[in-house]
Amino acid sequence: DAKTTQPNSMESNEEEPVHLPCNHSTISGTDYIHWYRQLPSQGPEYVIHGLTSNVNNRMASLAIAEDRKSSTLILHRATLRDAAVYYCISQAGTALIFGKGTTLSVSS
Amino acid sequence: DAGVTQSPTHLIKTRGQQVTLRCSPKSGHDTVSWYQQALGQGPQFIFQYYEEEERQRGNFPDRFSGHQFPNYSSELNVNALLLGDSALYLCASSLVMGGMGNEQFFGPGTRLTVL
Repeated sequence: DAKTTQPNSMESNEEEPVHLPCNHSTISGTDYIHWYRQLPSQGPEYVIHGLTSNVNNRMASLAIAEDRKSSTLILHRATLRDAAVYYCISQAGTALIFGKGTTLSVSS
Repeated sequence: DAGVTQSPTHLIKTRGQQVTLRCSPKSGHDTVSWYQQALGQGPQFIFQYYEEEERQRGNFPDRFSGHQFPNYSSELNVNALLLGDSALYLCASSLVMGGMGNEQFFGPGTRLTVL
């Protein structure tokens, strides 16, 4: 199973962009890259996923390196409600393989 | 439209006992996955059910078993509980036809404490 590596924690200020990096050098060519986040006392919540090209949705953007060995989740304007643990996830079959994630703190 | 629901919210058991956790998937979803999340860790995949059969399993012992019913709801059973089974148990539902990139919707979890 492919392994993902993320920084343990990151800090941001409200209204500023946030770039959350992830390394997944062993990912296979057909595995999607998923990002989920988990707010305190809640289950994980889908953020975005992609395969090769960059992806955008109402929550975030996902920039995938050309060699697919890394990706970056971009929150365009952080809010206090974005404070959470962000997981960059590989997959084995249809199972999601979580790492320890990055704890994002947002200050006003 | 209700999302994924799980019951009970909290549960306290003693070592050696057996426990059953329940999950109702999001409306229209046919696939249910179960995850275990220890304190301070990311969720770990236990198994996935589709068409009432276990389709994929993570690295968990046979003490962990499950079931999916015709209405797509699911149960997770854990026998001979150990202290290390204390965790948040998460259920996630999805559409199998969504393929490898399909989004999984998680419930709020059941907090199991084993004393």
